[in-house]
Amino acid sequence: EVQLLESGGGLVQPGGSLRLSCAASGFTFMKYAMSWVRQAPGKGLEWVSGISGGGTGTFYADSVKGRFTISKDNSKTTLYLQMNSLRAEDTAMYYCAKDLGSGVITPQEFWGQGVRVTVSS
Amino acid sequence: EIVLTQSPGILSLSPGERATLSCRASQSVRGNYVAWYQQKPGQAPRLLIYGTSTRATGFPDRFSGSGSGTDFSLTISRLEPEDFAVYYCQQCGSSPGTFGQGTKVEIK
Repeated sequence: EVQLLESGGGLVQPGGSLRLSCAASGFTFMKYAMSWVRQAPGKGLEWVSGISGGGTGTFYADSVKGRFTISKDNSKTTLYLQMNSLRAEDTAMYYCAKDLGSGVITPQEFWGQGVRVTVSS
Repeated sequence: EIVLTQSPGILSLSPGERATLSCRASQSVRGNYVAWYQQKPGQAPRLLIYGTSTRATGFPDRFSGSGSGTDFSLTISRLEPEDFAVYYCQQCGSSPGTFGQGTKVEIK
């Protein structure tokens, strides 16, 4: 059974940093691309970032490019999202997701329950 | 980036009725790589359809997807009580994998 458990969210001031983690189990982690998708309160879904199975290919939404960094540790089966220079508009529920395939830009097949990030002074 | 526009924003129907949701792309989606997700209140989204028309595990055949190029649709042939939710389309033909704004299917 696929399980994705996010952690690391919380309240942070504008300009601050947070590192989200997603512990994965139940599948061969290195074979699949992974994504972060966020949802602002009462709003729709926004794909944030994706990383290929091997970890060499990364993609970002324009809204976070240069501020967020996605990475994965295949030995620890964990996905990360380092978020710097946070803004109020980054406030959202952040979902970790296992993609359907190994390359980036494939649908998000399984989702974690999400971790809340609030950027406010 | 490709912009997806979903319509209608809200669809008010009764159980047993047919639901047709539309997703229009600002440019042709490479490979017709369109997915649909279902999200219920307080829950994470679930992948429903991928590759325009392939149903994900766990969803019954009353759900079907179709389309090509810039116009895609999701049809629920006969609404069951558990189908009332928000549905999002996503294009996976080019980065970023953008989502539509969602269609809420509510009980009339």
